[in-house]
Amino acid sequence: ETGVTQTPRHLVMGMTNKKSLKCEQHLGHNAMYWYKQSAKKPLELMFVYSLEERVENNSVPSRFSPECPNSSHLFLHLHTLQPEDSALYLCASSQDLMTGKVYGYTFGSGTRLTVV
Amino acid sequence: AQKVTQAQTEISVVEKEDVTLDCVYETRDTTYYLFWYKQPPSGELVFLIRRNSFDEQNEISGRYSWNFQKSTSSFNFTITASQVVDSAVYFCALSDTGRRALTFGSGTRLQVQP
Repeated sequence: ETGVTQTPRHLVMGMTNKKSLKCEQHLGHNAMYWYKQSAKKPLELMFVYSLEERVENNSVPSRFSPECPNSSHLFLHLHTLQPEDSALYLCASSQDLMTGKVYGYTFGSGTRLTVV
Repeated sequence: AQKVTQAQTEISVVEKEDVTLDCVYETRDTTYYLFWYKQPPSGELVFLIRRNSFDEQNEISGRYSWNFQKSTSSFNFTITASQVVDSAVYFCALSDTGRRALTFGSGTRLQVQP
């Protein structure tokens, strides 16, 4: 499978649950990103990973915990979320950080998260 | 600080009308890149175009055209003779030295009615 794949596509969770979002890319890219898309707000950058190392944490609350076990996989672990965390969570990748800044990213289809 | 503003939240047009999506950006850099992405209902952002700050030549690709004006810090996107398949959310994005990743606007939702 090519491109960036995100699972699950939809997730409903209670505020006390623990769940994880998964992102997988088979493009040979070395940089991966998490963005949050809320209605009528700019896409918010959450985390940036380069060569499996987190290089940016954009003031994201600790209830969101990213993990990058290898260059092909990126997870977002969720714990005790709030209703305002309901959003579309998008994963993206690029060959590396600089290539991404010059040529852009390949995005997944996102996980639609609803916190109840 | 870098910022991208898409003032139009939603636009609705009738098929075959022309429509322009506005994008205004802020950056302190002289070298930067601008992007447009399309987000269909399936969710993934699809790359449409990129421009670097040294190339102000406008570009046309089929029914799509882009107008880059450094003097007004704008990078507007026009769809000529719109079609129902153009219905989507369109994002403008900026890349400069201030951040490690792209900065996106809030998107413009375009609805093309048959």
